[in-house]
Amino acid sequence: GAVVSQHPSWVICKSGTSVKIECRSLDFQATTMFWYRQFPKQSLMLMATSNEGSKATYEQGVEKDKFLINHASLTLSTLTVTSAHPEDSSFYICSASYDNYGYTFGSGTRLTVV
Amino acid sequence: QKEVEQNSGPLSVPEGAIASLNCTYSDRGSQSFFWYRQYSGKSPELIMSIYSNGDKEDGRFTAQLNKASQYVSLLIRDSQPSDSATYLCAVNMGAGRRALTFGSGTRLQVQP
Repeated sequence: GAVVSQHPSWVICKSGTSVKIECRSLDFQATTMFWYRQFPKQSLMLMATSNEGSKATYEQGVEKDKFLINHASLTLSTLTVTSAHPEDSSFYICSASYDNYGYTFGSGTRLTVV
Repeated sequence: QKEVEQNSGPLSVPEGAIASLNCTYSDRGSQSFFWYRQYSGKSPELIMSIYSNGDKEDGRFTAQLNKASQYVSLLIRDSQPSDSATYLCAVNMGAGRRALTFGSGTRLQVQP
């Protein structure tokens, strides 16, 4: 139980284009979704927290206009990287809390901007 | 600033030995603690969670928590080459469903 499906698993895009990453909770309702970014040989860094039906909360230094998060339903949260540049190339991972103590992670999306 | 600290390693142990991984955290109000294993290019996978002081055992893994010292550790007994990965310590710094704060990870190498 408590599975989050993340797509795509990898994507290559041209600089200046936008990319959308989806995370779906398959067997539970994810009222809160967390989005992380991981650069090579670094740890997971929280980018933003999205709550169903409300605006996402972004961490300091994360551009809200560049990383658009939509959490319109209890089972779907999306992250759109707008006007992507090579420095946005990273591993993006979503996570949801399914009870007061448990967390589940998506399989991650490897974004390469060329 | 709320932090989780780990030794980056690599920690190298021979096959069959005990691997000991350590983590300290800065927020005394932290409620729940997790150890994740991450293989290169993959998402983290949960190994253990621990919420109360003391030891928690699950198979070859034992998590130890000392809230007074703000310290959590993971012991891996009978280490196998397949255990070679990066181990991430993660902390929920507060109550409820908050985002986890991750340490930088310790790379473990188990030598056959």
